[in-house]
Amino acid sequence: KAGVTQTPRYLIKTRGQQVTLSCSPISGHRSVSWYQQTPGQGLQFLFEYFSETQRNKGNFPGRFSGRQFSNSRSEMNVSTLELGDSALYLCASSLAPEVASPLHFGNGTRLTVT
Amino acid sequence: AQSVTQLGSHVSVSEGALVLLRCNYSSSVPPYLFWYVQYPNQGLQLLLKYTSAATLVKGINGFEAEFKKSETSFHLTKPSAHMSDAAEYFCAVSEETSGSRLTFGEGTQLTVNP
Repeated sequence: KAGVTQTPRYLIKTRGQQVTLSCSPISGHRSVSWYQQTPGQGLQFLFEYFSETQRNKGNFPGRFSGRQFSNSRSEMNVSTLELGDSALYLCASSLAPEVASPLHFGNGTRLTVT
Repeated sequence: AQSVTQLGSHVSVSEGALVLLRCNYSSSVPPYLFWYVQYPNQGLQLLLKYTSAATLVKGINGFEAEFKKSETSFHLTKPSAHMSDAAEYFCAVSEETSGSRLTFGEGTQLTVNP
C-alpha cells in the first residue's frame, strides 16, 4: 500500500508570492492533517480535514489555508509568503479523526522563502 | 491545554547500550501519548502509542515505553542501541477532541556511537 505522498518535495519561493502544497493520503484514509516543522518552533499543527470539512485549525494567520477534495486528497496554500514561512510542511493521514487513530506522515515539502 | 516536555535535546549512547529518552506530559484528562521517530529528510514514523489499555507499551524496532501517571511520564527505552536508531525522536500528546491534533515535544536527537 502506498504511503502518504506529498508534492513537491522541495520548493523555493520569493517573499510575497503564494504557494500550494499537495498531499495524497493513504488509500482509504479520510482524515488529513498538516503540520509545520521549523528548528525554532518545532512541530506545530496547522489544520485537520475530514470529509472535505476543516475540523480544527492551529494558531496560524489567515494566510495559511487548506482544503480537502472528495477523494480525500488535500492541498494547503500559503499566500503573501514571509521569510518565516520557510519550513518543512508535513502532511499526515489517518482512517478517521478519532483520538488514538495513528497518523501516517509523508516525507514533507521543504519550502524555502527568499 | 495539553503539553509535553522532552528532557534533553541531545542524547548520545554507545552501540549496545541502553537507550532512555524522557518525556513528561501535562494533561487534565487521561492522555493519549505517542512516540514518533524522524530520520533525516523523512517524515515521522510512529514507534508506539499509549491509549490506556496497558501501561507498558511495546513498539516497533525493539522500543517500549511505560506510562506512569504518578510521575506524568512516558519515557521511551530500548535495551540495546543499534547504529540504525540514530534519529530524532518526538513525544506527542493527543488533544481530547481530535486524534489528528497532536502536540509535540521539542524532540530528542539520538546519536549512537560505535
